[in-house]
Amino acid sequence: AQSVTQLGSHVSVSEGALVLLRCNYSSSVPPYLFWYVQYPNQGLQLLLKYTSAATLVKGINGFEAEFKKSETSFHLTKPSAHMSDAAEYFCAVIHSGGYQKVTFGTGTKLQVIP
Amino acid sequence: DGGITQSPKYLFRKEGQNVTLSCEQNLNHDAMYWYRQDPGQGLRLIYYSQIVNDFQKGDIAEGYSVSREKKESFPLTVTSAQKNPTAFYLCASTRTGPNTGELFFGEGSRLTVL
Repeated sequence: AQSVTQLGSHVSVSEGALVLLRCNYSSSVPPYLFWYVQYPNQGLQLLLKYTSAATLVKGINGFEAEFKKSETSFHLTKPSAHMSDAAEYFCAVIHSGGYQKVTFGTGTKLQVIP
Repeated sequence: DGGITQSPKYLFRKEGQNVTLSCEQNLNHDAMYWYRQDPGQGLRLIYYSQIVNDFQKGDIAEGYSVSREKKESFPLTVTSAQKNPTAFYLCASTRTGPNTGELFFGEGSRLTVL
């Protein structure tokens, strides 16, 4: 069964610093992977998705993620953090087998320090 | 604008009461989902429905019930059998089809049991 593990429930970075949020996946078949962002008391919004077309995926708000099969990773990065990036980020994988079941990681809260 | 509307945003319930959370979408999506979110646990799937008049239990269905009488609507009832109902509830939808994957979320409903 597919699953994702997010390393670090809380990450703090200074404004302008590199953002790196880690996600490792476990899948017996080529996975479809996603990153979502959630602002306080709101729903989730898709940042980007990997569907095997390209290993480097660019998303909204300057975020990108690279699929590395050898490391079973799909880490999220942004070169320069903004205060508005403070939110919770979820990595997710879709299950194969005919229906759209998505499994989420436990989330990483990003704090941006001015 | 197309989207998913959840109501109410905040709800308080006394122990022993059933409550129903509303979820309506105008995206013409076939599949709809209910997730429960607790701090540090990510999102857990309660129920999902791929077509009208059909739905399946997710990972934590006990104490919950749903209906899918219309394509646009997927209400969730939290029954008195749910032992720990205080949580943030998220409704989502997606197009069906092979691995489309992207979930569209509502703004969520926060239920507190007094």
